[in-house]
Amino acid sequence: EIVLTQSPGTLSLSLGERATLSCRASQSVSSNYLAWYQHKAGQAPRLLIYGASSRATGIPDRFSGSGSGTDFTLTISRLEPEDFAVFYCQQYGSSQTFGQGTKVEIK
Amino acid sequence: QVHLVESGGGVVQPGRSLRLSCAASGFTFRSHAMHWVRQAPGKGLEWVAVISYDGSDENYADSVQGRFTISRDSSKNTLYLQMNSLRAEDTAVYYCARAGGYASSGYPLDRWGQGTLVTVSS
Repeated sequence: EIVLTQSPGTLSLSLGERATLSCRASQSVSSNYLAWYQHKAGQAPRLLIYGASSRATGIPDRFSGSGSGTDFTLTISRLEPEDFAVFYCQQYGSSQTFGQGTKVEIK
Repeated sequence: QVHLVESGGGVVQPGRSLRLSCAASGFTFRSHAMHWVRQAPGKGLEWVAVISYDGSDENYADSVQGRFTISRDSSKNTLYLQMNSLRAEDTAVYYCARAGGYASSGYPLDRWGQGTLVTVSS
């Protein structure tokens, strides 16, 4: 099973700041089948990024994904009020696994 | 638009069974693989099970293998999760989610329901 480790656990930032979230896999993710999701309490999770770097439909361009193999990054260029949430990476190439999540909170 | 609505959650005693349903609308249900994902209180997302577009392929997390069964009825546009031998650690919000394509792997989860809460307690 591929284990995904996200860092940091919590990111405290101000509006307009840049957020950089990391996801490291225990082995190479096949075909870069790596996705990022945003999850707010009481809501359905939302797909942000798939294939490591492709934005899902309707996702603003301040969200971007990068990386390959075992190291992946989600970047939010300028934090908006609605961006504060928990973010999960997921690999879907070899069965399915999620990282433990990174909480982005208002500083 | 795409709509996924889970139902069937509730309080159940350890060792008992429960069946969850997920009613799908707004897309061609029989063309997409479907997943169940859960979130225990205070924890992160945990993938539970997947079924391919035609029901020919199923996969399960080790934590539920042999106890849970995923199925689908394309005539009713409904996904199911039969949960047997429930344990306290199965307590969670259960989400159904649509895969972006037909197969049980290789596609992200592009639409999610709001979830239904299952509490396993005596």
